[in-house]
Amino acid sequence: DVKVTQSSRYLVKRTGEKVFLECVQDMDHENMFWYRQDPGLGLRLIYFSYDVKMKEKGDIPEGYSVSREKKERFSLILESASTNQTSMYLCASSLFGTGGGNEQFFGPGTRLTVL
Amino acid sequence: SQKIEQNSEALNIQEGKTATLTCNYTNYSPAYLQWYRQDPGRGPVFLLLIRENEKEKRKERLKVTFDTTLKQSLFHITASQPADSATYLCALMTTDSWGKLQFGAGTQVVVTP
Repeated sequence: DVKVTQSSRYLVKRTGEKVFLECVQDMDHENMFWYRQDPGLGLRLIYFSYDVKMKEKGDIPEGYSVSREKKERFSLILESASTNQTSMYLCASSLFGTGGGNEQFFGPGTRLTVL
Repeated sequence: SQKIEQNSEALNIQEGKTATLTCNYTNYSPAYLQWYRQDPGRGPVFLLLIRENEKEKRKERLKVTFDTTLKQSLFHITASQPADSATYLCALMTTDSWGKLQFGAGTQVVVTP
């Protein structure tokens, strides 16, 4: 059974803290994605990676960075957490390329609250 | 700018009826359109994919249509059941997107017995 796991389901941090969200997939997928989901706004892409050490900005990268040192692991970093980064964070993975339409497999999400 | 619109109002439907959801898009030429289901507090789960050259796709009680002239996809759940209650998201992919999807905000479906 394919799986995407995220390090925490719930996280509470203080303003200014550095926050690490980790995602691991066991499907040998090339692509990995980080989204945030807010009511009424849907899923918005923060960053994605199509290979180890490769990364591309999504629609809302400001205030975030990512790291992909191994194929199965993709980390999202909030350098200095702010209250407007309170959100649900979702990680996903998919095969590389567009030939098959590439469904994305999602993790369970991390609900981050920044106080 | 690119835009994907789904009905923001919840769709309340009686068990056994057909639920029909709409996904409209502008300033896109998608190669693929996907539909996902999301339950509260969980990540989305892939349901169906339809290509730009396909008019209709079916999977069990689900049916998706794709009209590139109208820039619209319809998602149907036939013989709906309370277990179908969830939020349904449409997502578009273009051929030059490197596998990235653009998601709509989703429509909540509530099926009552």
